Amino acid sequence: KNEVEQSPQNLTAQEGEFITINCSYSVGISALHWLQQHPGGGIVSLFMLSSGKKKHGRLIATINIQEKHSSLHITASHPRDSAVYICAVKGDSNYQLIWGAGTKLIIKP
Amino acid sequence: DGGITQSPKYLFRKEGQNVTLSCEQNLNHDAMYWYRQDPGQGLRLIYYSQIVNDFQKGDIAEGYSVSREKKESFPLTVTSAQKNPTAFYLCASSPGTANTEAFFGQGTRLTVV
Repeated sequence: KNEVEQSPQNLTAQEGEFITINCSYSVGISALHWLQQHPGGGIVSLFMLSSGKKKHGRLIATINIQEKHSSLHITASHPRDSAVYICAVKGDSNYQLIWGAGTKLIIKP
Repeated sequence: DGGITQSPKYLFRKEGQNVTLSCEQNLNHDAMYWYRQDPGQGLRLIYYSQIVNDFQKGDIAEGYSVSREKKESFPLTVTSAQKNPTAFYLCASSPGTANTEAFFGQGTRLTVV
């Protein structure tokens, strides 16, 4: 079993829909990152969380440390949100990031 | 603005050639990392460096080499010994390995033909 699991693996939705991507992890962490990767393109850091909730524009990220779970929400989704969204956690006992496999999101106009 | 720069964004090489991927940061970070991504998989750690002139192997170091002669720079060489070099490569840095923050380059997509 992977230490970081994302769901769903693939998600297709219509423009305007509310999107939720989930990330569950099984290790103790000091921080959790959400990143966005566009097709053929680079990686953009969206959020770093260690507790609570953060909001940036139409993106909201939450984390529940007790349940070892984080969600990334997109409100009023748009085709330009189509990308792979990746969750990564920084363990509290070692140096490296542990990465989820990513969620491929397609927003249709 | 401070950040991490990876270059180039796309790189093509012939099989059997060594190739070096660049990673530069102006964040004054001590720790730097290289990750590899294959389709449908999470990123995996190749090498990391906690301080200048020191680096450690990650989970998939075979066929790769690195150097850390300067704090700002952590180049990755993909050698001809790497059996499947075609992949997406991501460089990251953090103030220290124990620090929660991490900053990421844009990545380099290497294709070996």
